[in-house]
Amino acid sequence: DIQMTQSPSSLSASVGDRVTITCRASQSIPSYLNWYQQKPGKAPNVLIHDASILQSGVPSRFRGSGSGTDFTLTISGLQPEDFTTYYCQQSFSPPYTFGQGTKLEIK
Amino acid sequence: QVQLLESGPGLVKPSQTLSLTCTVSGGSISSGGYYWSWIRQHPGKGLEWIGYIYYSGTTYYNPSLKSRLTISINTSKSQFSLRLDSVTAADTAVYYCARFHPLGSVDPWGQGTLVTVSS
Repeated sequence: DIQMTQSPSSLSASVGDRVTITCRASQSIPSYLNWYQQKPGKAPNVLIHDASILQSGVPSRFRGSGSGTDFTLTISGLQPEDFTTYYCQQSFSPPYTFGQGTKLEIK
Repeated sequence: QVQLLESGPGLVKPSQTLSLTCTVSGGSISSGGYYWSWIRQHPGKGLEWIGYIYYSGTTYYNPSLKSRLTISINTSKSQFSLRLDSVTAADTAVYYCARFHPLGSVDPWGQGTLVTVSS
């Protein structure tokens, strides 16, 4: 299985800040990397697919980058609704593993 | 737009079988290009890929669950199902059905259903 390692596991920030979450794959996954946002009690929703393509309807303050084994999700100008949990997921090789999650909390 | 909805018992006894069904609406389950998938999330934990089925019946099972797992599809009812045998407390989780775009993302997801394994 391809292991996905997210960091940090938790992060404190303030409204308006810019934050970066990283995701590292245990082997190269070209650009087959997705980012999801999950709010408590809800299913995850895709934010970014193919490493850097913004899902339709997702605000432009979300940006994804990277290729190979190293990827980042950057959120600029944090809004109150952004304080929740984020997951990366590789879609290169089954089982399509997820990172362990990053919980973004208000400072 | 496509919507998915899980259904099934919320409580299963240890050693018994967990059975869930996902009903797909707003689109055809028989349209090619998608893998109809099951994903679970243990309480307070991350996400685990269980497996998927293509409309033709081709399946993929996570090796960690393969010996206990069956995923099936009924295109006439626009449903696909999960069966997990010999469950233990470690199978307690929220189970999601979802549509997976090969080499793409999981979208959309069902709302999820909590299954508790307990006597």
